[in-house]
Amino acid sequence: SAVISQKPSRDICQRGTSLTIQCQVDSQVTMMFWYRQQPGQSLTLIATANQGSEATYESGFVIDKFPISRPNLTFSTLTVSNMSPEDSSIYLCSVAVQGSVNTIYFGEGSWLTVV
Amino acid sequence: GQQVMQIPQYQHVQEGEDFTTYCNSSTTLSNIQWYKQRPGGHPVFLIQLVKSGEVKKQKRLTFQFGEAKKNSSLHITATQTTDVGTYFCARNAGNMLTFGGGTRLMVKP
Repeated sequence: SAVISQKPSRDICQRGTSLTIQCQVDSQVTMMFWYRQQPGQSLTLIATANQGSEATYESGFVIDKFPISRPNLTFSTLTVSNMSPEDSSIYLCSVAVQGSVNTIYFGEGSWLTVV
Repeated sequence: GQQVMQIPQYQHVQEGEDFTTYCNSSTTLSNIQWYKQRPGGHPVFLIQLVKSGEVKKQKRLTFQFGEAKKNSSLHITATQTTDVGTYFCARNAGNMLTFGGGTRLMVKP
């Protein structure tokens, strides 16, 4: 299993500012991912955080808006840049733990409200 | 991209009634995973199905994978208030998940 800590858990942000979300895992993991869940919606993959190289972004998400760092195998950050109210969402970090079933674990999420 | 459709969006049931959510894909799935997200919580992995026609049970929960591997279902027998939450199916490709829209289950005591 994996225990994932995310900070902040909740924040209210001013329009036009940027916020960095941190994700810490209790063990080394190869693959870390960032998802967005807009209010009342499902989860959408933003990007795969790659250790030692640039993140891989999904269609509709760009590095300038969502820069990601992955300095080591237990830590990653996601920045939401130049925020607008449309960025109000839950941002979730997840990791894959290899096993007979590749289980995906999620952090508790960072609830951002942009005003 | 490949989408996974899920119905219904919402379901209100009386405690003790059964509940089913359905997941469909237009293309063959290599696997289907199911997650539960409690209100205010994060998704928690429930199970993975990989074989055609596979059926797995977890207490009152029964998970099925269709013969053609294009659909899946989650059935809860005799719902309890602790079953409240949103149930998501998801396709896992290289540990990257494509989620269905989710079914929000509400249980009236």
